[in-house]
Amino acid sequence: AQSVTQLDSHVSVSEGTPVLLRCNYSSSYSPSLFWYVQHPNKGLQLLLKYTSAATLVKGINGFEAEFKKSETSFHLTKPSAHMSDAAEYFCVVSDYSNYQLIWGAGTKLIIKP
Amino acid sequence: DVKVTQSSRYLVKRTGEKVFLECVQDMDHENMFWYRQDPGLGLRLIYFSYDVKMKEKGDIPEGYSVSREKKERFSLILESASTNQTSMYLCASSSNSGGADTQYFGPGTRLTVL
Repeated sequence: AQSVTQLDSHVSVSEGTPVLLRCNYSSSYSPSLFWYVQHPNKGLQLLLKYTSAATLVKGINGFEAEFKKSETSFHLTKPSAHMSDAAEYFCVVSDYSNYQLIWGAGTKLIIKP
Repeated sequence: DVKVTQSSRYLVKRTGEKVFLECVQDMDHENMFWYRQDPGLGLRLIYFSYDVKMKEKGDIPEGYSVSREKKERFSLILESASTNQTSMYLCASSSNSGGADTQYFGPGTRLTVL
């Protein structure tokens, strides 16, 4: 069965410094993986998705994630944090046996001025 | 742009009331989903539907039912609301390309049951 673990419930970085949000997954298949972002009082928005093409996936707002099969990881990174990046981020794996997505518990990203 | 709308942003109901949450999508998507979101638990799937009049239970269907009479509309029903159903409810839709397809979300309904 598929599962996903976000290793940090909160991450705090200073504006202008790199961001790393960690995600590990478990899947019997070659998975599809997603990162979604939820800004305060706003809906969920897709940041990026991996579907077995290039292992380095670029998303919106300067974020990218690298699929590492040997480590079963799909960490989200950004070179330089901006105040507008403060939000909750969800790592998600797709279950091919149905149309469902399996969600991580979320990581709150806090940006210090 | 895909648009998923939900009937209310905020809703306050009393214990025992019947509650209807409506969701409408405008992209002719086959699949529609209802989740609830609680702090520290991520999103948990309540029900989903892959076609009109079809429904499948998700991870936490107890206390809920759904209705999909038209392709664009998916309703979540709380037959008798209880305080432990106080939560954020999110609706999503996706096209029928299999599990890899992106889900598009509505803004959510924050339901409080007193």
